[in-house]
Amino acid sequence: DQQVKQNSPSLSVQEGRISILNCDYTNSMFDYFLWYKKYPAEGPTFLISISSIKDKNEDGRFTVFLNKSAKHLSLHIVPSQPGDSAVYFCAARHGSGNTGKLIFGQGTTLQVKP
Amino acid sequence: EPEVTQTPSHQVTQMGQEVILRCVPISNHLYFYWYRQILGQKVEFLVSFYNNEISEKSEIFDDQFSVERPDGSNFTLKIRSTKLEDSAMYFCASSDGGYNQPQHFGDGTRLSIL
Repeated sequence: DQQVKQNSPSLSVQEGRISILNCDYTNSMFDYFLWYKKYPAEGPTFLISISSIKDKNEDGRFTVFLNKSAKHLSLHIVPSQPGDSAVYFCAARHGSGNTGKLIFGQGTTLQVKP
Repeated sequence: EPEVTQTPSHQVTQMGQEVILRCVPISNHLYFYWYRQILGQKVEFLVSFYNNEISEKSEIFDDQFSVERPDGSNFTLKIRSTKLEDSAMYFCASSDGGYNQPQHFGDGTRLSIL
């Protein structure tokens, strides 16, 4: 199942700089996209989301951009902090209504160096 | 902040035995989900549940699996006659079903089949 892809398995950035995590999808029927952060031995924690009718959503240091024509979304973290070091999953909602299943990407491991 | 809780955190079982994984969703949530993540693979959807019925299930969720909400707070996943390939992290999630509300995940149960 390659409907949601995160092509970069890992990313390393310096503290204070911008982190950009990317995600591509193939199904144009996805209507809602989410980013989750996951620390070892914990479950995915919801970070930020975006509806398919928008192209940007911002929450503090986190901004998600959606390019529907390219079927691409990205998560920007600025400034990056060492505590942001985690695995980041992109997910897309599949199905009708607000309760459809989530399709996940493979995850990108972000390391923020002090 | 309300959270989804899962027990046990780690379950070791002999192949062929039955296991029950337990979840307490967030109290005002009405939609419940099970996902799993086999080591090194994506998080994948198993089943969604609403109003005491399965809403959707994946191809993985065959007759070996069942879900139940035995009371007002617990949501369980039963796996009968476990196989080696059932070894994975199992995540429970819940949502309130509101417009573009995210699913919130528990910390998972690591299931090891010997």
